[in-house]
Amino acid sequence: DADVTQTPRNRITKTGKRIMLECSQTKGHDRMYWYRQDPGLGLRLIYYSFDVKDINKGEISDGYSVSRQAQAKFSLSLESAIPNQTALYFCATKTDTGELFFGEGSRLTVL
Amino acid sequence: GEDVEQSLFLSVREGDSSVINCTYTDSSSTYLYWYKQEPGAGLQLLTYIFSNMDMKQDQRLTVLLNKKDKHLSLRIADTQTGDSAIYFCAESIKVNTGKLIFGQGTTLQVKP
Repeated sequence: DADVTQTPRNRITKTGKRIMLECSQTKGHDRMYWYRQDPGLGLRLIYYSFDVKDINKGEISDGYSVSRQAQAKFSLSLESAIPNQTALYFCATKTDTGELFFGEGSRLTVL
Repeated sequence: GEDVEQSLFLSVREGDSSVINCTYTDSSSTYLYWYKQEPGAGLQLLTYIFSNMDMKQDQRLTVLLNKKDKHLSLRIADTQTGDSAIYFCAESIKVNTGKLIFGQGTTLQVKP
């Protein structure tokens, strides 16, 4: 079983719809992250969380919100999806030594 | 500002060495990482180096760090077709936050 699980793996939606991407982890790490990957741009940080009471904005948080429901769960929401939010989204957890463990990604297409 | 740059594409023949280069701008970087992404998968940590080191070797992988020039490289010896993937360089600029700044990724194509 994967240590970091993302659902859904693929989603196609329409402009204006609300979308939630979910992430759960079995590694027991406090720190969790949401990244967005676009071709030629690498990964950009959307939000990160140190624990259930600590949420921080990353580089590109506009248009996104997050919820840390428990240590193991960190969800990303798009309240009103727009086409330029079409991307591959990755959740990750972090060890104390700085290693990020990534989920397999959620591919979102906004029409 | 914080920026990490990589060339986008590298093509080598099976058995040759591959060298993937990366430059970064933040001199306060503490850790520098190399991640590998295979098609349809997430990123997998290959190796990392502390900023006070010049070189790190791990089996077929050699990481070289030139802190003066803010240049990081990953050398893969005896490159195999299974090494075909996208390779990301990343720097950790603030250890306590765990924020990593990623480069754009270098696509490595290995020809048989």
